[in-house]
Amino acid sequence: GAVVSQHPSWVICKSGTSVKIECRSLDFQATTMFWYRQFPKQSLMLMATSNEGSKATYEQGVEKDKFLINHASLTLSTLTVTSAHPEDSSFYICSAREGSEEKLFFGSGTQLSVL
Amino acid sequence: AQSVTQLDSHVSVSEGTPVLLRCNYSSSYSPSLFWYVQHPNKGLQLLLKYTSAATLVKGINGFEAEFKKSETSFHLTKPSAHMSDAAEYFCVVSDRENNFNKFYFGSGTKLNVKP
Repeated sequence: GAVVSQHPSWVICKSGTSVKIECRSLDFQATTMFWYRQFPKQSLMLMATSNEGSKATYEQGVEKDKFLINHASLTLSTLTVTSAHPEDSSFYICSAREGSEEKLFFGSGTQLSVL
Repeated sequence: AQSVTQLDSHVSVSEGTPVLLRCNYSSSYSPSLFWYVQHPNKGLQLLLKYTSAATLVKGINGFEAEFKKSETSFHLTKPSAHMSDAAEYFCVVSDRENNFNKFYFGSGTKLNVKP
């Protein structure tokens, strides 16, 4: 089946620094990628949707300037958490889909801890 | 508007007994419905999906779910639980209002399987 690779799997950083998370589709072209955030014991909350070559669409309440999303190619999307603060600590998960397929393929997630 | 309600945050069963994880949805259009499983420290894996074909959907690992429009439900079942089924399960809905571009997650049900 389709594979989505996400890394790093965990990262610890100091407050005020920026962190980049990569999401790659390994064996298919991901026309659309989604970024989710999951707090402990809660469900996944959609942060933004990105289509290759265009600007990401952010969900209400998600700061565009803080969570920078780039989807420069059909196999790679990146999420950069800029000037991270402790409240940004969370589990971030990307997912990708090929064309108009309704099925999503998920990365294994990134646990971000901001000190 | 779309939403998903998973009625039980935790379900505990004994190995070899049936599993029932409940999911109710609301959607203004004919929905597509999914069940995903998340094992600890791993990404989400698709168990099964319903996309307006047969109402009884069979998935991987012996799971199945039945779409009941009159009850707006999509409960997940398995005849006999296995220890390896212990994980968190998410019910997900999407529909054509957003061109199937948005996937709404339920709050999740943590399944515990006792030996």
